[in-house]
Amino acid sequence: KQEVTQIPAALSVPEGENLVLNCSFTDSAIYNLQWFRQDPGKGLTSLLLIQSSQREQTSGRLNASLDKSSGRSTLYIAASQPGDSATYLCDLRVNQFYFGTGTSLTVIP
Amino acid sequence: AAGVIQSPRHLIKEKRETATLKCYPIPRHDTVYWYQQGPGQDPQFLISFYEKMQSDKGSIPDRFSAQQFSDYHSELNMSSLELGDSALYFCASSLYLAGGYTGELFFGEGSRLTVL
Repeated sequence: KQEVTQIPAALSVPEGENLVLNCSFTDSAIYNLQWFRQDPGKGLTSLLLIQSSQREQTSGRLNASLDKSSGRSTLYIAASQPGDSATYLCDLRVNQFYFGTGTSLTVIP
Repeated sequence: AAGVIQSPRHLIKEKRETATLKCYPIPRHDTVYWYQQGPGQDPQFLISFYEKMQSDKGSIPDRFSAQQFSDYHSELNMSSLELGDSALYFCASSLYLAGGYTGELFFGEGSRLTVL
């Protein structure tokens, strides 16, 4: 069974900082990995999708990388803003889907 | 742009009752996924359908069943409800891609089920 761990579990940073969220997984035979954000009591908003053949994806201030050999993906957020405050989840597709444990991010104005 | 539509948004049931949740995927999406998210938990994959056939199965209890219809909408049927079934149920949809790749998942806002 795929084990997906996200570190740190919670992170609090001042506005404007660059930060990195980590997602580690045990089985490297993944089809793709997707990063989401979730606001309290809300649905999941897709941020970036990385197919297994890709190394990274970028969208605006976000950059996600994938290193299957080391079982790791990182989400880089540049120039953080208070609106970035949310829980960030990585989701792996193997023969089914596995969500990570999530990182709760708070950006302090 | 049209998103994934789930109904009802909120549902309250008694123990041992039955509940049905509906999901309408993004137009032209052919794959639907169901997730369960308990309080303070990360989403757990339940089941998925591609072209009306079950494609993958996760931690869906035997008391639950689901299907995808010809218009690609899906329904999750839950019977003999238990207190522990209280959760947020998400539906997601994607477009199947050839070559073993899977499309980006888009989630609905969820259906909150409360079992009393």
